[in-house]
Amino acid sequence: EVQLVESGGGLVKPGGSLRLSCATSGFTFAGAWMNWVRQAPGKGLEWVGRIKSKSDGETIDYAAPVKGRFIISRDDSKTALFLQMNSLKTEDTAVYFCTTVSMTVWGQGTMVTVSS
Amino acid sequence: QSVLTQPPSASGTPGQRVAISCSGGISNIGANLVYWYQQLPRTAPKLLIYKNFKRPSGVPDRFSGSKSGTSASLAIDGLRSEDEADYYCATWDDSLSAWLFGGGTKLTVL
Repeated sequence: EVQLVESGGGLVKPGGSLRLSCATSGFTFAGAWMNWVRQAPGKGLEWVGRIKSKSDGETIDYAAPVKGRFIISRDDSKTALFLQMNSLKTEDTAVYFCTTVSMTVWGQGTMVTVSS
Repeated sequence: QSVLTQPPSASGTPGQRVAISCSGGISNIGANLVYWYQQLPRTAPKLLIYKNFKRPSGVPDRFSGSKSGTSASLAIDGLRSEDEADYYCATWDDSLSAWLFGGGTKLTVL
């Protein structure tokens, strides 16, 4: 069974940083393209970014609102996905989900609150 | 405002058929596969339809997807109370190099 478990969320001040992790199991992580998706309170889903597999060049694409501030990375030896969030803004407050390619499988999400 | 346009709400009575539309453009729906997700209250989204019309195992055949040109549609036959949820369409956009989600449709079973 494919499982995705996010962690690392919490309360951070505007301008601060936070690193989210996604532990995975049940599939060949090294060959998988992975996404981060977020959902602000009471709002819809918003794609954050995607990282391709190493064999596909480990290319990373970001959504415009987070480009230059967020960094997606992966550790295939640990079958883990990461999201480094810098220069956080109040509008980054959301539940952050880790998902597989085409968002076929979702984790339960981790809440990030940016507030002074 | 989302690039993919969905009606904010839809409703129906038990047993009815309901359809939810998703309108886009030539660089997104017109060029790529469409996916649909169901999000029950206070839970993570779940894949409902993939590659325009395919259903993952475990999804009832009451749910069906279609695509024509730059629009897609999700239909639910034999509406049930447990179908009350938010529904999102999604696809890749070649111009933006980004995944796009529709704004979501809140389905109410009356």
